[in-house]
Amino acid sequence: AQTVTQSQPEMSVQEAETVTLSCTYDTSESDYYLFWYKQPPSRQMILVIRQEAYKQQNATENRFSVNFQKAAKSFSLKISDSQLGDAAMYFCAYRGGGSNYKLTFGKGTLLTVNP
Amino acid sequence: DSGVTQTPKHLITATGQRVTLRCSPRSGDLSVYWYQQSLDQGLQFLIQYYNGEERAKGNILERFSAQQFPDLHSELNLSSLELGDSALYFCASSPLPSGTDTQYFGPGTRLTVL
Repeated sequence: AQTVTQSQPEMSVQEAETVTLSCTYDTSESDYYLFWYKQPPSRQMILVIRQEAYKQQNATENRFSVNFQKAAKSFSLKISDSQLGDAAMYFCAYRGGGSNYKLTFGKGTLLTVNP
Repeated sequence: DSGVTQTPKHLITATGQRVTLRCSPRSGDLSVYWYQQSLDQGLQFLIQYYNGEERAKGNILERFSAQQFPDLHSELNLSSLELGDSALYFCASSPLPSGTDTQYFGPGTRLTVL
């Protein structure tokens, strides 16, 4: 079974600085998808960024980018120019490329942004 | 706003009772997923429906059941409730049950069992 590990339960960053959240996963599949979701205090799950395993190029979405290392099974999220609104719980998630489309989530990293 | 709606927002009930959680997917989405978020287990996949048919099951208890109706809304039924069922229940939807689709989440239903 696939597992997703987020080794940093909590992280903090100063406003306008850069922070990197770590995620590793375990899978025997070659085709899969990886996601970062953000859960602010409102509890809404918001998609931040996604990465297809077959793509070598790292995904970027404005201030958010990933460092996808397929051989190392690592998928970290970099947040540049951190803003107060970035404070939230961040979840890394895995989905296989087969017929089961469930998301497997890590335990999450709570990000605090200090003014 | 993801376009996925869930009702009710909050639900407080007693042990042994039965409740129904409702989800309306985004317009055009045919696939619905249910997830449970608890302090003990984190975020866990429960069940998936596509166009009215069950497609995949996760760690869903036998006391729980779900269905997707012809208008594509879905209901999650929880019966013989226990204290440990207290959690945030999310519904997510995607256009198709394909690997390329992203799942968009609703705001969740907070269930408290007393």
